[in-house]
Amino acid sequence: QKEVEQNSGPLSVPEGAIASLNCTYSDRVSQSFFWYRQYSGKSPELIMSIYSNGDKEDGRFTAQLNKASQYVSLLIRDSQPSDSATYLCAFRGLNYGGSQGNLIFGKGTKLSVKP
Amino acid sequence: KAGVTQTPRYLIKTRGQQVTLSCSPISGHRSVSWYQQTPGQGLQFLFEYFSETQRNKGNFPGRFSGRQFSNSRSEMNVSTLELGDSALYLCASSLSPTAITEAFFGQGTRLTVV
Repeated sequence: QKEVEQNSGPLSVPEGAIASLNCTYSDRVSQSFFWYRQYSGKSPELIMSIYSNGDKEDGRFTAQLNKASQYVSLLIRDSQPSDSATYLCAFRGLNYGGSQGNLIFGKGTKLSVKP
Repeated sequence: KAGVTQTPRYLIKTRGQQVTLSCSPISGHRSVSWYQQTPGQGLQFLFEYFSETQRNKGNFPGRFSGRQFSNSRSEMNVSTLELGDSALYLCASSLSPTAITEAFFGQGTRLTVV
């Protein structure tokens, strides 16, 4: 059973701080990893994708991937109240025949940024 | 560029009825996936279509079915609705089912079964 583990939170950080969201995944051969943000009552919005070990930065967001440890994280610098949402980690697994499988999601970490 | 369009946005159905949900992917995208989201279970994969063929299927009963048309639009159908089918149904659009393909979600259809 392919799985994604995330701390459900809530994670509370003060405005301007760094929010750190973590995720572990079970599929050792997975090649692609994604972070989605979901506001209450809305659909998930893709914010980052990462495919290689190391860091990938996009504005205030940095995704970090460590395939050996099967670990991916998302850092949000200078957190704003508007960042308050649930953050979903996902990876694309492989089917038994080696073809690309579907996206597998964690249950999300709820982030609250306090003014 | 238009995003992923799902219709209808909201539905209320009675147990035992059937329902059909529609998804129009981003122009040029040929892969469509469907997910069910509930507070307890999170996002659960239903099925994925590419070029009118079902590529992957999640662990849902046969009451859940789908199809994809030649213009890449997709529909999913749920027959004999149960109360537990109440959920947000999300459609995700991708260029193609490769490792580096990003998936973009529609606004979702919120189904309530009474």
